[in-house]
Amino acid sequence: EPEVTQTPSHQVTQMGQEVILRCVPISNHLYFYWYRQILGQKVEFLVSFYNNEISEKSEIFDDQFSVERPDGSNFTLKIRSTKLEDSAMYFCASSPRQGQNTEAFFGQGTRLTVV
Amino acid sequence: RKEVEQDPGPFNVPEGATVAFNCTYSNSASQSFFWYRQDCRKEPKLLMSVYSSGNEDGRFTAQLNRASQYISLLIRDSKLSDSATYLCVVTSNTGKLIFGQGTTLQVKP
Repeated sequence: EPEVTQTPSHQVTQMGQEVILRCVPISNHLYFYWYRQILGQKVEFLVSFYNNEISEKSEIFDDQFSVERPDGSNFTLKIRSTKLEDSAMYFCASSPRQGQNTEAFFGQGTRLTVV
Repeated sequence: RKEVEQDPGPFNVPEGATVAFNCTYSNSASQSFFWYRQDCRKEPKLLMSVYSSGNEDGRFTAQLNRASQYISLLIRDSKLSDSATYLCVVTSNTGKLIFGQGTTLQVKP
C-alpha cells in the first residue's frame, strides 16, 4: 500500500540552527501539507502546497518557515533559526485531490527537538 | 470559540462497553468531516468519513448533524485495541484539515 514517508524520524538540533524535514508524498497525489503537533496539544495546520506553490498558510508559518518541492518527489519543510518552541512532531500529508470527503494520508512524522 | 471542540476525556471503559464521543465545529461552511485515530506519538490515521446520512463501519458508527454543527462517533463492543485518541476533523473549503483536541479512550480488561 502506498504511503507517505518522512525522514528523519527524530531530529535534535541546537537553538538557532536550520533544519530541513523531508517528505516523500504518495506518487500520484497533487496536494501536500505540513502539520505540527506540540506534545500534548492538537494537530495544527502549517501550510498547503499545490502546483508548485503555497496555496494556504497559517499564522504559525511565518518567515522562519519555507517549503519546497525540489525534484518532483520530495517535499521539504525548512525551519530557519530554530527556537525552543519549534519542538514538536511535524507531519507531512498528501491528498490526490481537493474536495468533499477526500482523505489526507499522513506520514509517520518527524520528532523535532530543539535544545 | 474553538474551531473544533471535543471533550478530551479520558474515557475509561471496560471491554465490551459502548462508548460515544461528540464534537462540535464553529464554521458552518465546513465541507467534510472525519474521525481520525491517533495512537501515542504516532501519526493520525483515518478511521472514517462522516456523512449527514450517518455511516457505519463494523463496530463504529458516525453521524453528522449540520444544523447543530455536531459530529458523533459510537463504538460498540469496545476492544482493548480501541484504546487511542480519537480526533474529530473538519475541512475548510480550501482543503486544510482542522483538528479537535482529541478524546482519549482507554479500554480496560
